[in-house]
Amino acid sequence: KAGVTQTPRYLIKTRGQQVTLSCSPISGHRSVSWYQQTPGQGLQFLFEYFSETQRNKGNFPGRFSGRQFSNSRSEMNVSTLELGDSALYLCASSLWTGTLNEQYFGPGTRLTVT
Amino acid sequence: GQQVMQIPQYQHVQEGEDFTTYCNSSTTLSNIQWYKQRPGGHPVFLIQLVKSGEVKKQKRLTFQFGEAKKNSSLHITATQTTDVGTYFCAGDYNTDKLIFGTGTRLQVFP
Repeated sequence: KAGVTQTPRYLIKTRGQQVTLSCSPISGHRSVSWYQQTPGQGLQFLFEYFSETQRNKGNFPGRFSGRQFSNSRSEMNVSTLELGDSALYLCASSLWTGTLNEQYFGPGTRLTVT
Repeated sequence: GQQVMQIPQYQHVQEGEDFTTYCNSSTTLSNIQWYKQRPGGHPVFLIQLVKSGEVKKQKRLTFQFGEAKKNSSLHITATQTTDVGTYFCAGDYNTDKLIFGTGTRLQVFP
């Protein structure tokens, strides 16, 4: 089974621009979560989608948004980029069947904002 | 709010020594998961603990879930250089999202 894939792997943007990141989950996984990882803040939960619906959202400003398509692929968008948005953005998919919700992480997208 | 505290932040050990990282939650967890992230890599699932007082072993790794389901620990016996990485716990409060601990970075010196 193919793992979680994320594109692009690396991205350099300037302040004020917007960016869209993509995530393809493991086949059969309907839950996709997004996390921001920085050296100072660790792994911060952004949001989680299940069957095209956002079930949960972390404490991030409205500049961060996402969506999930009918094939479970997900995109994350950040508008009006700020320097502090530089981070590794990780996507994770899960079967999420009752108590079984282990996360399978993708390799991440390294975003640098200059 | 729901928060998972993890200690220590860093641990440097000599190869062959033991290592333990601890996670604590202020409120009762539905279950807790453990992940390992190698340098430059992404988090990889290790185990999930669900039952109060549960203890699970994976070779040299021992995972425990507290009786009150508010704390957990990961113990590595006789560390090896392959154990290097950051170990995260992640708490599930039955809210369809995981709250990750801050992680413990383990460095093993040969």
